[in-house]
Amino acid sequence: KNQVEQSPQSLIILEGKNCTLQCNYTVSPFSNLRWYKQDTGRGPVSLTIMTFSENTKSNGRYTATLDADTKQSSLHITASQLSDSASYICVVSPSPERAAGNKLTFGGGTRVLVKP
Amino acid sequence: DAGVTQSPTHLIKTRGQHVTLRCSPISGHKSVSWYQQVLGQGPQFIFQYYEKEERGRGNFPDRFSARQFPNYSSELNVNALLLGDSALYLCASSPERVGEKLFFGSGTQLSVL
Repeated sequence: KNQVEQSPQSLIILEGKNCTLQCNYTVSPFSNLRWYKQDTGRGPVSLTIMTFSENTKSNGRYTATLDADTKQSSLHITASQLSDSASYICVVSPSPERAAGNKLTFGGGTRVLVKP
Repeated sequence: DAGVTQSPTHLIKTRGQHVTLRCSPISGHKSVSWYQQVLGQGPQFIFQYYEKEERGRGNFPDRFSARQFPNYSSELNVNALLLGDSALYLCASSPERVGEKLFFGSGTQLSVL
């Protein structure tokens, strides 16, 4: 069964500090991995998308890494701000042939709380 | 340009009732997907429609149905509501049937009492 596991489930960090979120997946074959940010009660918003050939991708203070060999990804938040408080969801898309129906596999998310 | 819009934003129903949720995709997008997100969990895929035809179905009972209209808007219907159907229902649109560009609406929060 295709799975996406995220850790930690939640974390609290002080404003200005850095943090790293982890994502392990078993989806195979694999097309791309995405990180989304979801504010409470809102829909997810895309942060990064990486194919299996990409090792890292940045979007402002967010940097995602991918190790397709170990099936692991991380999202690093630099110099956190209060507005970074949200859930961060790792999403894996199977190969294009199997992605019909947008059957993406979502992780359970990591809830980040940034405190002043 | 307007993003993906969903209505209503919140809904309260009782067990056994049925509900219709609506979604308008981004202009020019022909694909609409529906997801269910239970509190504290990641979204689960329910349906995808592309060019008004069902292109994918997740592991949900027949009480869940959907359709897409000629203007590419979509409805999700749920019959015989159960307490466990309480969730945030997300709609996502995409310009392609299979692709990277997926944009989510803010969702409809359904509470079943």
